[in-house]
Amino acid sequence: DTAVSQTPKYLVTQMGNDKSIKCEQNLGHDTMYWYKQDSKKFLKIMFSYNNKELIINETVPNRFSPKSPDKAHLNLHINSLELGDSAVYFCASSHNLAGMNTGELFFGEGSRLTVL
Amino acid sequence: KNEVEQSPQNLTAQEGEFITINCSYSVGISALHWLQQHPGGGIVSLFMLSSGKKKHGRLIATINIQEKHSSLHITASHPRDSAVYICAVKGNYQLIWGAGTKLIIKP
Repeated sequence: DTAVSQTPKYLVTQMGNDKSIKCEQNLGHDTMYWYKQDSKKFLKIMFSYNNKELIINETVPNRFSPKSPDKAHLNLHINSLELGDSAVYFCASSHNLAGMNTGELFFGEGSRLTVL
Repeated sequence: KNEVEQSPQNLTAQEGEFITINCSYSVGISALHWLQQHPGGGIVSLFMLSSGKKKHGRLIATINIQEKHSSLHITASHPRDSAVYICAVKGNYQLIWGAGTKLIIKP
């Protein structure tokens, strides 16, 4: 039973295309995240949603838009893909208790995006 | 200077050795995470701690809030422990990540 699942795991696409990566968690967590892991393996937070509301929006291009239809899902849409968007994108979730994020992080397996 | 510093960056050891990975941070935190990234890329949360010490199997994590320092220890290391170990500290809502320590355990 996968706790945090991302699809697709691999995505190869052309520059200029629009693509989405989906994330679902079945842990009952309130908070979900998207991280980008660059070529140096460093993880950078992109977005964080708590109960479907955006609480962190780091400086990412407007081409990236998160969408949270419910608190179990946080999808990442990327418009007009660029070469520099090639990376591994990780979804994660945690439990947010009384406004403080006290929970451990649970990660999806990652989605490797390659833009040609 | 990074807000979260890990040492060493790379560590190669023989099977059975006791391993220590260090994490120092310069910001106020509410919690610290240790995570493991497998060679295949998947990330697993090992520990979240805000004080003291936690143990899970052969893994032990300690934190000293006053000294702003945490250590991850692996006892009786095994080649399957080979991975990148990442320290991340939590301020308000945001996690600040260390650069990771690449551990290789040779048989």
